[in-house]
Amino acid sequence: GDSVTQMEGPVTLSEEAFLTINCTYTATGYPSLFWYVQYPGEGLQLLLKATKADDKGSNKGFEATYRKETTSFHLEKGSVQVSDSAVYFCATYGQNFVFGPGTRLSVLP
Amino acid sequence: EAGVVQSPRYKIIEKKQPVAFWCNPISGHNTLYWYLQNLGQGPELLIRYENEEAVDDSQLPKDRFSAERLKGVDSTLKIQPAELGDSAVYLCASSLRSMNTEAFFGQGTRLTVV
Repeated sequence: GDSVTQMEGPVTLSEEAFLTINCTYTATGYPSLFWYVQYPGEGLQLLLKATKADDKGSNKGFEATYRKETTSFHLEKGSVQVSDSAVYFCATYGQNFVFGPGTRLSVLP
Repeated sequence: EAGVVQSPRYKIIEKKQPVAFWCNPISGHNTLYWYLQNLGQGPELLIRYENEEAVDDSQLPKDRFSAERLKGVDSTLKIQPAELGDSAVYLCASSLRSMNTEAFFGQGTRLTVV
């Protein structure tokens, strides 16, 4: 079945640092790819998505590009803020959503 | 627009007792999901509904778990009897349709079995 692998956390960065969270997937066909974010005490929220190869999803300064050749969907942000501290989940959608284990990000002032 | 509403937010029960969770999806959303999230892990699908039909329940432990979605709107997930290992967060999500569309999640029900 489909699966998602994410870099293990926790990731701790200083404010304004560059962020990369790696995500690779295995899936049959051409799934859509998502990044969800879970802030403390809140439910999962969609951060961005891409539905076909080479698409770039972006939101709130975060970006991720659907790379079919490397089956990857790495999340990047050029300058993180304290308010970005959360758990980030990479997910695929083929027949159902399949989530990675999550990466906890802590941003220090 | 109201989001996905789940209740209760927290539940503590003794093992072997029954428990039920309720979910009200976003109005007009045909697809409803129940997910299980263990601490430090990503959500895992339990069951997916298309309207009132359960189209994927392959991961639902049917010996103790059951779910229903009457009239294709609200849904309940039940565990009977609960075991210690069932302690987790139970998430409900809905989407307009099943194919490649964003799923909106509720805040979840945190179950503690003691």
